[in-house]
Amino acid sequence: KAGVTQTPRYLIKTRGQQVTLSCSPISGHRSVSWYQQTPGQGLQFLFEYFSETQRNKGNFPGRFSGRQFSNSRSEMNVSTLELGDSALYLCASRSTGGVGEKLFFGSGTQLSVL
Amino acid sequence: SQQGEEDPQALSIQEGENATMNCSYKTSINNLQWYRQNSGRGLVHLILIRSNEREKHSGRLRVTLDTSKKSSSLLITASRAADTASYFCAHGGATNKLIFGTGTLLAVQP
Repeated sequence: KAGVTQTPRYLIKTRGQQVTLSCSPISGHRSVSWYQQTPGQGLQFLFEYFSETQRNKGNFPGRFSGRQFSNSRSEMNVSTLELGDSALYLCASRSTGGVGEKLFFGSGTQLSVL
Repeated sequence: SQQGEEDPQALSIQEGENATMNCSYKTSINNLQWYRQNSGRGLVHLILIRSNEREKHSGRLRVTLDTSKKSSSLLITASRAADTASYFCAHGGATNKLIFGTGTLLAVQP
């Protein structure tokens, strides 16, 4: 089985721009979660989608949004980029997102905002 | 913040020694998981312990959980240079989302 695939691997944007990151989960997995990782804040939960519906949400401003398609692929969008949005964005999938399920992570998208 | 904390933040040991990392969390949980991350890549799941378990083993890994103290520890025995990585605990509760700790950076010197 192919693992979780995130594209692109690296991205450089300037302040004020918007960006879309893509995540393809493991085949058969219906739950996709997104995390932001920075040296200062560590791993912060952004949101989780299950069967095209947002099931959980972290404490991020509305500039951060996401969606999930019928094939379980997910995208996250950040509008009006700020310097502080520079981070490694990690996507993770699991079968149903039920209690006790482990996450399978992609390699991440490293976003740099200049 | 619900984020857990890990201690120590960094740990340097020699090959063959044991490494112990501790994790504390703030909320009620139904499971706690440990993950490993190599140098800015994705995380890899290591082991899961449920709230009604006190200890679990997997190869060279041993995890303990004390729900009364809201804490867990990960022990890696007979460390190898390839164990060099960051280690994170993550706790899950009623909402099913996993909240990660701040991580411990382990360096194993050959």
